[in-house]
Amino acid sequence: AQKVTQAQTEISVVEKEDVTLDCVYETRDTTYYLFWYKQPPSGELVFLIRRNSFDEQNEISGRYSWNFQKSTSSFNFTITASQVVDSAVYFCALSVWAGGTSYGKLTFGQGTILTVHP
Amino acid sequence: DVKVTQSSRYLVKRTGEKVFLECVQDMDHENMFWYRQDPGLGLRLIYFSYDVKMKEKGDIPEGYSVSREKKERFSLILESASTNQTSMYLCASSLNRGRSTEAFFGQGTRLTVV
Repeated sequence: AQKVTQAQTEISVVEKEDVTLDCVYETRDTTYYLFWYKQPPSGELVFLIRRNSFDEQNEISGRYSWNFQKSTSSFNFTITASQVVDSAVYFCALSVWAGGTSYGKLTFGQGTILTVHP
Repeated sequence: DVKVTQSSRYLVKRTGEKVFLECVQDMDHENMFWYRQDPGLGLRLIYFSYDVKMKEKGDIPEGYSVSREKKERFSLILESASTNQTSMYLCASSLNRGRSTEAFFGQGTRLTVV
């Protein structure tokens, strides 16, 4: 069975601060995929990034960056120079390959509520 | 622009009622999913479907059933609604390309059972 843990329930920062959201996962599968989703107040989950288990390169997209470390089973998300519009619930999720029988089912973490104050 | 549409944003139903939550996607995706979101628990998978008329249980299927008669439509059915089914329900779809692709989500249905 898979498990994803986001230990930070809520984070509150002031605009322009950097903030890191932690994600730790558990799986016995060697081929898996990690995701981050953003859920703004409107409710719809918005896809941010997907990494596969064979690609440990860190990624940067504008103010967003992701640090994937298989050695610690972590996939952390950093927002640089946070803005009020970053306020949302952020979810880390895991999907395993399982020989193609997983069909993209996602196991989600509990979510982290990020509030950015002006 | 990709689109997953859920029929209602808010629903209030009485205990014991049969409830239908509808989801339609316009991306020709093979996979469709129903998740339930509760505070502190994240999203949990109720049922999913990887083809028309195919369905499989997720982690919390008790009290629910699903129907997929057409590729674009996936319905979640609460046979006899109970107060512990008060929650946010999210539908999602994804391609089945032999690897895990990103899922696209609807806007959610907040169901209250009284």
